[in-house]
Amino acid sequence: QLVLTQPPSASASLGASVKLTCSLSRGHSTYAIAWHQHRPEKGPRYLMRLNFDGTHSKGDGIPDRFSGSSSGAERYLTISRLQSDDEGDYYCQTWGTGIRVFGGGTKLTVL
Amino acid sequence: EAQLVESGGGLVKPGGSLRLSCAASGFPFSSYSMNWVRQAPGKGLEWVSSIPSSSSLIYYADTVRGRFTISRDNAKNSLYLQMDNLRADDTAMYYCARVTGYNFNDAFDIWGQGTMVNVSS
Repeated sequence: QLVLTQPPSASASLGASVKLTCSLSRGHSTYAIAWHQHRPEKGPRYLMRLNFDGTHSKGDGIPDRFSGSSSGAERYLTISRLQSDDEGDYYCQTWGTGIRVFGGGTKLTVL
Repeated sequence: EAQLVESGGGLVKPGGSLRLSCAASGFPFSSYSMNWVRQAPGKGLEWVSSIPSSSSLIYYADTVRGRFTISRDNAKNSLYLQMDNLRADDTAMYYCARVTGYNFNDAFDIWGQGTMVNVSS
């Protein structure tokens, strides 16, 4: 079964960096994923598509502070030089034949 | 600029029906696969349904299969979600989302702002 697992929360200080994790279920370690940001009262925002080898393509206007990486079944989103408006929920998403899946989301707090 | 705008949400009684619309602009709508995604209050994102550009192969989440119907009108640049036999646990913000590139199975790269559906007696 295709499942994405994310820690429910993360926090980091203003100006620091944070690395968010998304874990693919057993047997799906080569799947690509996407990262999305969801801030309160807004629609989700596509950040990037991240491949199993760590290569990624970002959405229009996504700053260089956002980057992605991969290791085995783990997919990461690193946000550098944290700003207050980076606070919100971050979701990973993947897809297969007949199914699209979201992780449970990680709530990022900027201290 | 690519844009999606949802409409049609509202308050409906359990067992009732509602039809959501999503108006697309700023890109060749007929070339892209589309999706509906929802978020219940206090919960995460949940995929609902997918439709390719040609409407030839449609997918539904198990939670809505048999009650919801996705469709599109490429001439009107519009996506629809017909929701029948609604239940309280269908209460959510509903978003439409575009699939990147000209693929059916891929990332969602454009999102709307959402329309709220409240199922309550």
